[in-house]
Amino acid sequence: DADVTQTPRNRITKTGKRIMLECSQTKGHDRMYWYRQDPGLGLRLIYYSFDVKDINKGEISDGYSVSRQAQAKFSLSLESAIPNQTALYFCATSDRDRGLDQPQHFGDGTRLSIL
Amino acid sequence: GESVGLHLPTLSVQEGDNSIINCAYSNSASDYFIWYKQESGKGPQFIIDIRSNMDKRQGQRVTVLLNKTVKHLSLQIAATQPGDSAVYFCAEGYYGNNRLAFGKGNQVVVIP
Repeated sequence: DADVTQTPRNRITKTGKRIMLECSQTKGHDRMYWYRQDPGLGLRLIYYSFDVKDINKGEISDGYSVSRQAQAKFSLSLESAIPNQTALYFCATSDRDRGLDQPQHFGDGTRLSIL
Repeated sequence: GESVGLHLPTLSVQEGDNSIINCAYSNSASDYFIWYKQESGKGPQFIIDIRSNMDKRQGQRVTVLLNKTVKHLSLQIAATQPGDSAVYFCAEGYYGNNRLAFGKGNQVVVIP
């Protein structure tokens, strides 16, 4: 879905490095999310943001931080990467209609490998 | 904790046949369920959703069935095509709230 763009698409880095994954969207949605996907574990929510001034922890936020620079941009940082953070990372956005969240739209992911 | 799971890890289907993908959920309070399709190298793509006040909902070539009595959800794909080969996963939550619990995924392989 070109409306949600993640960069980079692939990244290999070393333990202890600081990594930033970026997400931008042209959908005009207020809500943005970061997930990680591991084989056999499905998608797990890391952080989410309902608007520029709102940041919320998900179920696995330890070791991660986020920044919502603008409505269209939501970045995920690993301050000091460790091997068990090797995973596929997805950004998603959603709209809100009459006070109700609409289904999320996902980017195509960033494959992150930490050696 | 609450969890969502799929019965079968891989489903092989002949092209043109119908596919049925099953999902069990454990939170009886969940009132919203959603199916996503994920193709290789792509992000999850919304297929169809259903609220708990319904037991069936149809889309284009897809039907979702909800059985609240046994906490079971299924996705039926009619006349399966090669482009339907993907991982499918369900998620549960509360209607209007995107704090969803995602299942582990079920691979569908369409045999030409």
